[in-house]
Amino acid sequence: AQSVSQHNHHVILSEAASLELGCNYSYGGTVNLFWYVQYPGQHLQLLLKYFSGDPLVKGIKGFEAEFIKSKFSFNLRKPSVQWSDTAEYFCAVNAFRGNTPLVFGKGTRLSVIA
Amino acid sequence: EAGVAQSPRYKIIEKRQSVAFWCNPISGHATLYWYQQILGQGPKLLIQFQNNGVVDDSQLPKDRFSAERLKGVDSTLKIQPAKLEDSAVYLCASSSTGGGGETQYFGPGTRLLVL
Repeated sequence: AQSVSQHNHHVILSEAASLELGCNYSYGGTVNLFWYVQYPGQHLQLLLKYFSGDPLVKGIKGFEAEFIKSKFSFNLRKPSVQWSDTAEYFCAVNAFRGNTPLVFGKGTRLSVIA
Repeated sequence: EAGVAQSPRYKIIEKRQSVAFWCNPISGHATLYWYQQILGQGPKLLIQFQNNGVVDDSQLPKDRFSAERLKGVDSTLKIQPAKLEDSAVYLCASSSTGGGGETQYFGPGTRLLVL
């Protein structure tokens, strides 16, 4: 069965600090990987995704993630966070082929302070 | 384009009562998902529809939960009778065809509190 581990439950950063959120997955096959974000009071929305090609994926709002197959990881990064990045971040995975649902990690809450 | 619509946004009921949630996916999306998100956890799939057929309901507690998507468009999720542990946010999502790399678009969710 697929599973996703997010290492940090709550991260607190000052504005302009760099961000890296860890995500590891467990699955015995080729996968698609996603990062979703939930801003306060808003619904889940896609930040970025990887399904093939360049393992370094760029998303919205300056976020990027790198797929490292050998480590089963898909860490999210941003060089300089802003107060508006305060949100909950979810890593998710599903099988590359077929009509399969997303399996989510528990999420990481990011608080950015001025 | 309009997003995924859900109602109600909030619901408070007592245990053993019944409750129903409604979802209208993005127009033209064939695949519809219901997820349960308990506080402090990520969303967990309850049921997946492709048009009006069920693709995966392996994690749906069928003794109390039911869902339907009769005309392949909107969907209803019902809990009867509710238990305290059903307190959660119920999220509806849709995607175009359900293919593996497709983006799933989420609605705002229904926050259920069972007392």
